[in-house]
Amino acid sequence: KQEVTQIPAALSVPEGENLVLNCSFTDSAIYNLQWFRQDPGKGLTSLLLIQSSQREQTSGRLNASLDKSSGRSTLYIAASQPGDSATYLCAVEETSGSRLTFGEGTQLTVNP
Amino acid sequence: NAGVTQTPKFRILKIGQSMTLQCTQDMNHNYMYWYRQDPGMGLKLIYYSVGAGITDKGEVPNGYNVSRSTTEDFPLRLELAAPSQTSVYFCATGLSGNTIYFGEGSWLTVV
Repeated sequence: KQEVTQIPAALSVPEGENLVLNCSFTDSAIYNLQWFRQDPGKGLTSLLLIQSSQREQTSGRLNASLDKSSGRSTLYIAASQPGDSATYLCAVEETSGSRLTFGEGTQLTVNP
Repeated sequence: NAGVTQTPKFRILKIGQSMTLQCTQDMNHNYMYWYRQDPGMGLKLIYYSVGAGITDKGEVPNGYNVSRSTTEDFPLRLELAAPSQTSVYFCATGLSGNTIYFGEGSWLTVV
């Protein structure tokens, strides 16, 4: 059974800092991995999707990497801003169209 | 283009009551999912569907039922509500191997 773990559970940083969120998964036979953002009381918004054949994806200040062999992904946020404060979740899809298995998320607070 | 629409947003149920959470999408996606999220936890899959007429159990299906008669709609039925079903429910849609889109969530309390 696939298990997804996110470390740390919570992170508080000053504005402007570069930061890394970690995601690990137990079964490396994945189809893709997605990073989501969740604001309080809201649904999830997809940030980046990395296919299993890719090593990284970038969108603006966000960069996500994937190392399938070691079962790890990182989400790098450059020059953090208070508006980045949210919970970030990673999820893996094991086969095309199958269920997503989610981590428990990292709650990020960026202080002005 | 509304995306994924869930109703109701909030609901309080008494133990033993039944209700249906509605989910509608206008993106013509074949895959639809129902997840629940308990406080401080990740999302757990209840049921999913790969197309109209096809549904399958997820990780935590007990106490729930679904149907998928059309591409657009994927209602989640709670039978004999229990306090353990107090949670936030999210409907999601997507195409095979692509980005998943979530609704805004339905907050359910069973008392």
